[in-house]
Amino acid sequence: QSALSQPPSASGSPGQSVTISCTGTSSDIGAFKYVSWYQRHPGKAPKLIIYEVTKRPSGVPDRFSGSKSGNTASLTVSGLQAEDEADYYCSSYAGNNLLLFGGGTKLTVL
Amino acid sequence: QLQLRESGPGLVKPSETLSLTCSVSGGSVNSPVSYWAWIRQPPGKGLEWIGTIAYSGTTYYNPPLKSRVTISGDTSKNQFSLTLSSVTAADTAVYYCGGPQYYHMDVWGKGTTVTVSS
Repeated sequence: QSALSQPPSASGSPGQSVTISCTGTSSDIGAFKYVSWYQRHPGKAPKLIIYEVTKRPSGVPDRFSGSKSGNTASLTVSGLQAEDEADYYCSSYAGNNLLLFGGGTKLTVL
Repeated sequence: QLQLRESGPGLVKPSETLSLTCSVSGGSVNSPVSYWAWIRQPPGKGLEWIGTIAYSGTTYYNPPLKSRVTISGDTSKNQFSLTLSSVTAADTAVYYCGGPQYYHMDVWGKGTTVTVSS
């Protein structure tokens, strides 16, 4: 069981929007602004797509957006494209020099 | 462009020590305010942070693994390493290295699969 809870799967059709949730506690997601999201295609290195809840690294399309409410963070992918099909993982700082990750969500583009 | 690459044995016997190295290119492990981490993913499970070494050499470990983990840096080779002692089948996983931020990893390696089996 992972420290942060994510739905195992999500799906959407091309052009649609999909939101993936990441639920933690008041000691991690709820306490800090250090939530990040990673995209991983099969056989490839994970790629940072969101950091500090809402920030996008250079080169990441603005179709990817992050938010947080209470103990739950969310990743929204708008205008779904075929290449968005991948596994997505959330992470949060939990204080005391501890990083937590989620179990991952497999996003399928129908 | 920062790149990371994991290397090490793909098979380790139970009770022995797992040793992996992360080679860094396009950056330096002793760059000011840089942090370098090890993360793993057991089959069918989520990611698990193992620990981090700072540019200063300070280390931070995940409490459940702390008694068995050592992360060290080698500035001369621009590498950092992971050792995990007394391994069991539960340590079978894909092991990733990442860096160089403290709260997140801008760059990850592709990962290396380690199987614990006799």
